[in-house]
Amino acid sequence: NAGVTQTPKFQVLKTGQSMTLQCAQDMNHEYMSWYRQDPGMGLRLIHYSVGAGITDQGEVPNGYNVSRSTTEDFPLRLLSAAPSQTSVYFCASRREFNTEAFFGQGTRLTVV
Amino acid sequence: AQKITQTQPGMFVQEKEAVTLDCTYDTSDPSYGLFWYKQPSSGEMIFLIYQGSYDQQNATEGRYSLNFQKARKSANLVISASQLGDSAMYFCAMTNSGNTPLVFGKGTRLSVIA
Repeated sequence: NAGVTQTPKFQVLKTGQSMTLQCAQDMNHEYMSWYRQDPGMGLRLIHYSVGAGITDQGEVPNGYNVSRSTTEDFPLRLLSAAPSQTSVYFCASRREFNTEAFFGQGTRLTVV
Repeated sequence: AQKITQTQPGMFVQEKEAVTLDCTYDTSDPSYGLFWYKQPSSGEMIFLIYQGSYDQQNATEGRYSLNFQKARKSANLVISASQLGDSAMYFCAMTNSGNTPLVFGKGTRLSVIA
């Protein structure tokens, strides 16, 4: 059982480049979320989805886009990378509101 | 909207002692869930324990217990008999019923001293 798979694990981007962080889960979970983790800031919610075709903004959505065309996949797009987007990104999924979230291994992104 | 507050950036505990990590929350929804996660230096997020707002008893999982005080809106994590491997970041998180996301506090870094 793969759980939540995030790719890539590491990425270096130049300012202004775009890229997509991939997230896939094989547990048929409805809820999926993207977080960024910065020192001293905890995990801040970027975007989340409660099912295929439904997405909503979190606390820090600017500069990021998401889509949820299938239950399994929830990609995060950086439109024009900025140094302020240097962070560790986590994707998570969960079955219902009162069940634990399963996390991917994280993506360490550096924007230079 | 829900909010989680962890006021202890760092904590130290002697090996084999118990430690309490604080978490307070704010929500207007009577139905909610509270979670604790551990993040070791390797970076993965590990689920520890869950407490539902309507649960009558405090949750326990092995050496972890959740001291749930609903009136005070607190959900403190108690780790008994600390081990060196407990050294990690600990995050408190919550979600409301319905289509709401899981939101996290800023975390507490626990260091266990031999």
